Amino acid sequence: AQSVTQLDSHVSVSEGTPVLLRCNYSSSYSPSLFWYVQHPNKGLQLLLKYTSAATLVKGINGFEAEFKKSETSFHLTKPSAHMSDAAEYFCVVSEQNSGTYKYIFGTGTRLKVLA
Amino acid sequence: NAGVTQTPKFQVLKTGQSMTLQCAQDMNHNSMYWYRQDPGMGLRLIYYSASEGTTDKGEVPNGYNVSRLNKREFSLRLESAAPSQTSVYFCASSAPGRVYSPLHFGNGTRLTVT
Repeated sequence: AQSVTQLDSHVSVSEGTPVLLRCNYSSSYSPSLFWYVQHPNKGLQLLLKYTSAATLVKGINGFEAEFKKSETSFHLTKPSAHMSDAAEYFCVVSEQNSGTYKYIFGTGTRLKVLA
Repeated sequence: NAGVTQTPKFQVLKTGQSMTLQCAQDMNHNSMYWYRQDPGMGLRLIYYSASEGTTDKGEVPNGYNVSRLNKREFSLRLESAAPSQTSVYFCASSAPGRVYSPLHFGNGTRLTVT
């Protein structure tokens, strides 16, 4: 069965410093992996997705994620945090089962950016 | 582009009342989903519809029913609301059959049951 673990429920960084949000997954097959961002009182926006074309995936707003199969990880990074990055981030794994795609969410990491 | 549209945005119910949350997508997606979001628990799947005419239970279906009215619309009904159903509800759609197809979300419905 597929599952997702986001290792930190809260992360605080100073503006201009690097961001690392950690995600480990469990999947029986080759997974589809995604990161979503949710700003306060807003819906969920796709940041990036793993397509198997490359292990390093670039997303919007300067975010990247690296797929490491040996470590079953898909950590999200950004070289320099901006105040507008303060939000909740969700790692998602998707797997096909009998023709149906199911999406399993991690419990989220709330990112705080300090001035 | 409208994408996924949910109505209403906010709703307050008394225990025992019923209501239907509406969702429509204009992306010609086959699959549609209803999630609920509670603090510290991420998003949990209530029901999904892999294609028009089919619906299946997700992780937390108790107390809910769904209808896939047509390819565009997927509604969620609470027959007798309970305080435990206070949550933010999100509808989403995707295009299965396309590898690595992401979910596309509506803006959510914030429901309070008193």
